[in-house]
Amino acid sequence: DQQVKQNSPSLSVQEGRISILNCDYTNSMFDYFLWYKKYPAEGPTFLISISSIKDKNEDGRFTVFLNKSAKHLSLHIVPSQPGDSAVYFCAASAGQGAQKLVFGQGTRLTINP
Amino acid sequence: GAVVSQHPSWVICKSGTSVKIECRSLDFQATTMFWYRQFPKKSLMLMATSNEGSKATYEQGVEKDKFLINHASLTLSTLTVTSAHPEDSSFYICSARLGTYNEQFFGPGTRLTVL
Repeated sequence: DQQVKQNSPSLSVQEGRISILNCDYTNSMFDYFLWYKKYPAEGPTFLISISSIKDKNEDGRFTVFLNKSAKHLSLHIVPSQPGDSAVYFCAASAGQGAQKLVFGQGTRLTINP
Repeated sequence: GAVVSQHPSWVICKSGTSVKIECRSLDFQATTMFWYRQFPKKSLMLMATSNEGSKATYEQGVEKDKFLINHASLTLSTLTVTSAHPEDSSFYICSARLGTYNEQFFGPGTRLTVL
């Protein structure tokens, strides 16, 4: 049972344009969501997070949007840069102090010059 | 801040030997660390949750006796793959939890190849 789903395995975007990565979840108990970026043979790097009490969180070029009714979140990167090419994972947890993160399958983002 | 290191970054061993992987939080204390495994082109699979000073909590399907976890201090957790076999070859990643929310910071990973 895949509780966190990233339905697009890959995404290709022109440099300078907006990249939008999507993530859906099924567990209504999830109340904290995170995005990680991962390069090959490296550990994931934390990018940005959002609590369920918010619907938007922004940090520089990265913005995460949360639609609780649709159980959907998205990561917007604007403007996209070649260094953004990586695999992006969304993750979710339930309850403050929760132990586990549940990860999606990842989306490979390629930024074309 | 929130730097996590892993050692070694890669290891090649013979079948039947044991391999120890260290995970350290360098600039913060982590009461909880996590061990993941990633198969090629797959998501991160949580293997176990390691709490300082207590026994690790293993996910369903993960053999406790095969993957020994020790979390002896607030900055160090170790994963020992005992009697390794080729099917144990994988990318192992640890993370450490920061704060009351579940923000986890990941180590760079360890590539294990069992011949």
